[in-house]
Amino acid sequence: NAGVTQTPKFRVLKTGQSMTLLCAQDMNHEYMYWYRQDPGMGLRLIHYSVGEGTTAKGEVPDGYNVSRLKKQNFLLGLESAAPSQTSVYFCASSYKTSGNTGELFFGEGSRLTVL
Amino acid sequence: GENVEQHPSTLSVQEGDSAVIKCTYSDSASNYFPWYKQELGKGPQLIIDIRSNVGEKKDQRIAVTLNKTAKHFSLHITETQPEDSAVYFCAAQPRTILTGGGNKLTFGTGTQLKVEL
Repeated sequence: NAGVTQTPKFRVLKTGQSMTLLCAQDMNHEYMYWYRQDPGMGLRLIHYSVGEGTTAKGEVPDGYNVSRLKKQNFLLGLESAAPSQTSVYFCASSYKTSGNTGELFFGEGSRLTVL
Repeated sequence: GENVEQHPSTLSVQEGDSAVIKCTYSDSASNYFPWYKQELGKGPQLIIDIRSNVGEKKDQRIAVTLNKTAKHFSLHITETQPEDSAVYFCAAQPRTILTGGGNKLTFGTGTQLKVEL
């Protein structure tokens, strides 16, 4: 049981380049999320999805786009990377529960450096 | 929106001692407070959570307390062991009337716990 898998695990980009991070989960979860983790700032929600074909903005959505064409996959795109987007990105998923208080299952992270 | 503050940012204890991490939240409508542990090179993992209708919850060496009036909650680890060394995050989630809106947690900034031999 793989859980939540993120690819790639490491990437170096030049300013202005584009890239896509892929998240895949095999737990049949309805909800999926993308967070970024920066030193001293904890985890901040970028975008999330409550079901296939739906996406919504989180706390820090600017400069990112997402898509959820299949229930098990959630893609995070950077159209024109900036040094401020250097971070560790975490994907997470969770069941749909009453009160929306279910456990988040995280991937192992993708470290992105923008030069 | 919700704002969660977490203290201390680093904590060093001797093996066998207790460790306490404290968090405060701003939104009185928040009703769910999980704690996540992140080991080096891994993603965060839920270790314990508490809902606003409960004041304390224990799970072996880990306990969480919640004071709704003061809007703060704490993680207590007793008899610390080297494997407890990690980064710990508290989080809060506002009450959601409708199911289906996602678990939009607001996380604290993390506490690096080091358990020394």
